[in-house]
Order: sequence, then structure tokens, then C-alpha cells
Amino acid sequence: ETGVTQTPRHLVMGMTNKKSLKCEQHLGHNAMYWYKQSAKKPLELMFVYSLEERVENNSVPSRFSPECPNSSHLFLHLHTLQPEDSALYLCASSQDRGEAFFGQGTRLTVV
Amino acid sequence: GEDVEQSLFLSVREGDSSVINCTYTDSSSTYLYWYKQEPGAGLQLLTYIFSNMDMKQDQRLTVLLNKKDKHLSLRIADTQTGDSAIYFCAESTRGSSYKLIFGSGTRLLVRP
Repeated sequence: ETGVTQTPRHLVMGMTNKKSLKCEQHLGHNAMYWYKQSAKKPLELMFVYSLEERVENNSVPSRFSPECPNSSHLFLHLHTLQPEDSALYLCASSQDRGEAFFGQGTRLTVV
Repeated sequence: GEDVEQSLFLSVREGDSSVINCTYTDSSSTYLYWYKQEPGAGLQLLTYIFSNMDMKQDQRLTVLLNKKDKHLSLRIADTQTGDSAIYFCAESTRGSSYKLIFGSGTRLLVRP
């Protein structure tokens, strides 16, 4: 148990659906992250929030929309995804720019 | 640009030592990390080392850093079947960015 909880653990969605991934951290950290892990590719940083303000957005398509309502919660809203978006989506948190603690991930399959 | 490279696969016998290697290109890296990922799980932080250190030991884990060659290694002593996982090397430069740069991961298989 890392103190970072992601739900759901698995998600199958159609290309026309809208769904959201949720992340909650119980570590009192002030920064939260979304990473994408695809087969045979390094982890890709998608978004970073520090003190609830987005500080990094690594050229992610607009069909991925993050939301950080407070320092403990982070969402990733998904709509009109493509099959190539199927991946493991990992949430992480850190205190300032310190070491990141990861959740278990959401395994997303787009059909 | 920033890049972190690792070999893809390592197989060892139970009880032997494992050495997982990593090279990086960013000479301004401040912190270097080792993460472990078991099947179906997220990444677990194993250990990290500051760039002004050469070595760090934590129980069965030994991290060696050669800053001149930009080479990082993780040695696991007395490797157990429970150590089978993917090991990721990552580096960051704390002063400027929240970004962790990860390698592609080394899959460690421990044979009984």
C-alpha cells in the first residue's frame, strides 16, 4: 500500500463513451501526476499538478482532460478515445519535486 | 535530449546476485531512482541516490553511481523468486522540473 489509490483498476470503454479515472492520495503531498504506460514504451508523463495548479502538460491530446479539485484528488476525464489509447494509466504524488509514490494503476482498454 | 537506457531482460538463479544497469544522458541529473513493478501493479519506489553520492546500501540493495560515465546500477544480493519484476531506472533534475525521466525497464526473472 503506497498511500495512492486509483479507481477503477480495470476499465473497458467504447470509442464514443465518456469515463473518468480517479486518484486519491493519503500522504499529504502537494503534487500529483498522471503517467501513461504502454507496452514496450517508457513511461510517459501526461500531466502534473502542483498545489492544484497544472504545471506540466506534455502535448497530450484534448480527449484526455485532467481535473484536480484539491491536493488529495486527481481525475482524468476521457472521451472519444482511440484503441491506441489502451494502456495502464498511473497516478503518482510527491511532496514538491521529491520522490514520486505511485498508485496501482487503471488498466484501460478501448474497444 | 534527456534519455535513460536499460537492458531489457535479466535472468538469474535464486540465491545469486542480480545487477541491473542503467545509463543516462542528462549531466545535470540531481536524483536517480530505482522503481519495481510487479505484474498488474503500479511502481514501487525501492531506493534513490543523490548525484553527489557514489554508493548507497539498503539491506539487500546496493546502488552504485558513476557520475563521470553517467552509469547507475542496482545490485540485489541473495535474489529471491519474489524479486521477479520489472525494474525501472529514473532520473530527475529537481531544480527545474517535476519531470521524472524513466528507462524502458529491465525484466528480472529469478529461476528456482
